[in-house]
Amino acid sequence: NAGVMQNPRHLVRRRGQEARLRCSPMKGHSHVYWYRQLPEEGLKFMVYLQKENIIDESGMPKERFSAEFPKEGPSILRIQQVVRGDSAAYFCASSPPGGRFNEQFFGPGTRLTVL
Amino acid sequence: ELKVEQNPLFLSMQEGKNYTIYCNYSTTSDRLYWYRQDPGKSLESLFVLLSNGAVKQEGRLMASLDTKARLSTLHITAAVHDLSATYFCAFFYSGNTPLVFGKGTRLSVIA
Repeated sequence: NAGVMQNPRHLVRRRGQEARLRCSPMKGHSHVYWYRQLPEEGLKFMVYLQKENIIDESGMPKERFSAEFPKEGPSILRIQQVVRGDSAAYFCASSPPGGRFNEQFFGPGTRLTVL
Repeated sequence: ELKVEQNPLFLSMQEGKNYTIYCNYSTTSDRLYWYRQDPGKSLESLFVLLSNGAVKQEGRLMASLDTKARLSTLHITAAVHDLSATYFCAFFYSGNTPLVFGKGTRLSVIA
């Protein structure tokens, strides 16, 4: 049973480019969460999605960031016009149906570096 | 404000010694998690504590939860080098808020 998958594992972008991060949840999981981890920090919640719905985006910056979880395919976190401050590790987690209080399982993360 | 405070943030301990990491959280919660993260890796779930007084043990690690004090502890017994990692606690507020993480405790076990 494959775990949460994320790709790419490492992503380098120049300022002003777009970054697309992908997350495939564990089989049977319908809840996806995105977190950002800055160096020497804990994880900060960004957005919580279910299939075709954004449930909670209270942690997402208002500009340049967007997320989706389509009916088919992985969840995508999109960062437009990246800036150096976007450099971080982005983790996706998934949990099974039954509500957000189910335990979350984390993917390996995507480490974004903005030059 | 929802927040989690862990201490210490950095811990260097000798092999064979015992130590405790503390996790204070700011509001009512009946669900507390401990995770381990190795450098450059993802988070590995260690413990889920679901009720006041809960205690769980796995190998040299033991976690406990006191919901009245809003405190969880992670106790390390007879540390070994393989335990070197960063340990995070995280909790859910009983509402519609997301998982809130502490800053982590970076543990280094030395011979």
